Amino acid sequence: DAKTTQPTSMDCAEGRAANLPCNHSTISGNEYVYWYRQIHSQGPQYIIHGLKNNETNEMASLIITEDRKSSTLILPHATLRDTAVYYCIVTGGGNKLTFGTGTQLKVEL
Amino acid sequence: GAVVSQHPSWVICKSGTSVKIECRSLDFQATTMFWYRQFPKQSLMLMATSNEGSKATYEQGVEKDKFLINHASLTLSTLTVTSAHPEDSSFYICSAPGRGAPGTDTQYFGPGTRLTVL
Repeated sequence: DAKTTQPTSMDCAEGRAANLPCNHSTISGNEYVYWYRQIHSQGPQYIIHGLKNNETNEMASLIITEDRKSSTLILPHATLRDTAVYYCIVTGGGNKLTFGTGTQLKVEL
Repeated sequence: GAVVSQHPSWVICKSGTSVKIECRSLDFQATTMFWYRQFPKQSLMLMATSNEGSKATYEQGVEKDKFLINHASLTLSTLTVTSAHPEDSSFYICSAPGRGAPGTDTQYFGPGTRLTVL
């Protein structure tokens, strides 16, 4: 599975959009980009995934660049409850997930 | 959405005892489940893949005789930490894959079990 690079931490004001970047320059053609988040002392939660098209669901939007070497997770209106570690994972199947260090998002008033 | 439960949510035990952690898929069947371990301020580390009806597959460096995994049904996998020691104290999390398109890997995670070995 391709390796990903994320900033260690980010801050966001409540009500504003949180844009979390992820670099995955070695991604291969059949690999998907997945985003999970982990609120403190809980199990990770699936957010969204995509292959090459932009995706949106009730939680977030995923923007994947045309060359697929990077992506951005967008939380359109961040709330305090969105404070968590966000993991960007690239995987081509087989169900095994390799977690990196993720981005600690802190949403503040 | 798919729900995965774990029991117990936390456990404290004495050194040398064994602890069993259960992972259940509540509204779907899972022929495969995964067990992770997470130490404080670190990321999740995959320990093993639990396969229904067959032996588990362990990641490199994980002692299979210490971390016994049983996947006896399509909705239940158990992890037994045998002869637990303080260094086994950790947050143990299980997951099960959803029914996505081929090549997709949406995982549903349990809430985790906090193990403290005294």
